[in-house]
Order: sequence, then C-alpha cells, then structure tokens
Amino acid sequence: SAVISQKPSRDICQRGTSLTIQCQVDSQVTMMFWYRQQPGQSLTLIATANQGSEATYESGFVIDKFPISRPNLTFSTLTVSNMSPEDSSIYLCSVESRPYEQYFGPGTRLTVT
Amino acid sequence: AQSVTQLGSHVSVSEGALVLLRCNYSSSVPPYLFWYVQYPNQGLQLLLKYTTGATLVKGINGFEAEFKKSETSFHLTKPSAHMSDAAEYFCAVRPFSGGYNKLIFGAGTRLAVHP
Repeated sequence: SAVISQKPSRDICQRGTSLTIQCQVDSQVTMMFWYRQQPGQSLTLIATANQGSEATYESGFVIDKFPISRPNLTFSTLTVSNMSPEDSSIYLCSVESRPYEQYFGPGTRLTVT
Repeated sequence: AQSVTQLGSHVSVSEGALVLLRCNYSSSVPPYLFWYVQYPNQGLQLLLKYTTGATLVKGINGFEAEFKKSETSFHLTKPSAHMSDAAEYFCAVRPFSGGYNKLIFGAGTRLAVHP
C-alpha cells in the first residue's frame, strides 16, 4: 500500500484567510482524492485530481473555494480559501495505489476561529 | 443515487464478545464494498474489501465481512472483541457508474469495548 503524508497535520486559522494543505505519496499514482470530514461526521469527497488536468469537483464544492493543484504523480495541494468557522474539519487526501483500494493520509485538522 | 446506511451510530460490547457492525447499501447493481477503521486522531485504514468472488471476505485484525446480495448488506464481524478495536468504523461503496473511483461513505459506527 502507498504511504501518504500530509502537511500541516493541524492548524488554527483566522476567518477570511486561506490555508494550503499538501499531500505527498511515496509512489506514482494516477488519481488523488480530497475528502472533508466535518466534526463527528463521515467523509465527503471534495474533488478528484488527475495529473495534468483540471480537478473534478463534487456537487456542493467549487474551485474558487477549494482550488487544487496536481503538478506531478506524487503530489497535490488543496487550498481552503476565505475560510469561515464552517470550514473547520479534517481534510484527508487519498490515492488508489492498488485496484479498487484507496489509501488515506493521516489528515489535516483545521480549526477556523 | 447510491447510499450507504450503517445501523447504529454507537455500538458497545464487552471484551471477548462478538462484534457486529451493520452496513446496507442501495443499488440495483452490487457495487464494490469496503470497510475502513479510523482510530482517534488518525486517518482511515482499509480493513477489507469485496469486489468479486467469495462473498465472505477476511480482513486485518481478525475482522471479516459477508456480502449478501439478496439483503444488500455487507456486515462486519469479529468473533472476539479486543480493547484495541475501539474506533470508528466506516462502510463505503464504490459505484460502477461514474468516470472515476469515487467512494461513498456511511455515517460511521463508533465501537466501544469495555472490560
């Protein structure tokens, strides 16, 4: 399975600011995924990021709020823009490094004050 | 649209007792099915998956799950609970439709194990 790291592991940010979360994988993967886990809730897919193309966003998520970069096959970033307290969540990236198996990073715990 | 229902947001068992976590999916075509575990302050770890073939699937840490098409279920079991099994468990499906490998998660079940 892939080893995935995320930076930062946690952060406390002021409303109106932006935070960029990094996701690094130890092997080349075609697709990377970004999920949000709001406090006490399940995971919701934000977008799918393929290298060399625009990210595909799920209903309810827009590029202006959650811009994503995917510059190569081992790295991606998710930016949470113009943050509000409602953006306080855990943000997780995942990859499919084996057929039908998604592996998750440790998550970034974001608190917006 | 696909959905996943996990019955019971909280389950409590005694150490050594049977663990049964329930998961039902809604789909006319059986999707691929997964169970993940999330320990406190950690990411998700894949426990097991069903894609095709044998309907009883064995995973890590002594867990197993059985795919029952007639019941649209994929319940997770472990014969004897251990204190270290206390965690949040998520059932997920991967629909066949769509152009990418989307996972749809259930709401999760928090398992407590008491002495």
